[in-house]
Amino acid sequence: DAMVIQNPRYQVTQFGKPVTLSCSQTLNHNVMYWYQQKSSQAPKLLFHYYDKDFNNEADTPDNFQSRRPNTSFCFLDIRSPGLGDAAMYLCATSRDLRVLNSPLHFGNGTRLTVT
Amino acid sequence: GENVEQHPSTLSVQEGDSAVIKCTYSDSASNYFPWYKQELGKRPQLIIDIRSNVGEKKDQRIAVTLNKTAKHFSLHITETQPEDSAVYFCAAPGEDGGFKTIFGAGTRLFVKA
Repeated sequence: DAMVIQNPRYQVTQFGKPVTLSCSQTLNHNVMYWYQQKSSQAPKLLFHYYDKDFNNEADTPDNFQSRRPNTSFCFLDIRSPGLGDAAMYLCATSRDLRVLNSPLHFGNGTRLTVT
Repeated sequence: GENVEQHPSTLSVQEGDSAVIKCTYSDSASNYFPWYKQELGKRPQLIIDIRSNVGEKKDQRIAVTLNKTAKHFSLHITETQPEDSAVYFCAAPGEDGGFKTIFGAGTRLFVKA
């Protein structure tokens, strides 16, 4: 089945210790997104890639960075995690950039704990 | 920017009853409205969507209605079952030309057996 796969499912890191979350997709979608979700709140967009073009949301902290080495993979790097960064991180893809007829396909998420 | 308001935040119904979740949006140019269901500990999944050129869409027990004049759309679930218990998010395109998905705050639905 074509899908969006996130690893690991659970990640524990120490305060200030860099951590990388990974996402891969077999849908061959052009756009890949990283969302942060806390306590059943709505997912909050951090940034997205349209092909190789990177777009950062204005309120995404500098602590968060992303890499997309190829169409299939995208990484979320948190350089110095703080306690407030503990959350579920959701990767998503869409076929095109416009929302119309291009719904989001989410991965199962990585739950990050910061100790 | 685009604002999507969702009500209620929590909804509890008896199994077999209907559930209705309502959302309003601010950008009159919005043309696509997806609904996502997120079960506890799982990923959000698209359950139904509607384009602005139709007023209603049905898929078995779920339906979505759209009132473009009033700028609101609703999710209707009939004959609710315990497995319908989840958080539901409505969404609409952002005012940036529709390049971003703007989510409502979510509705936690409890279906009591």
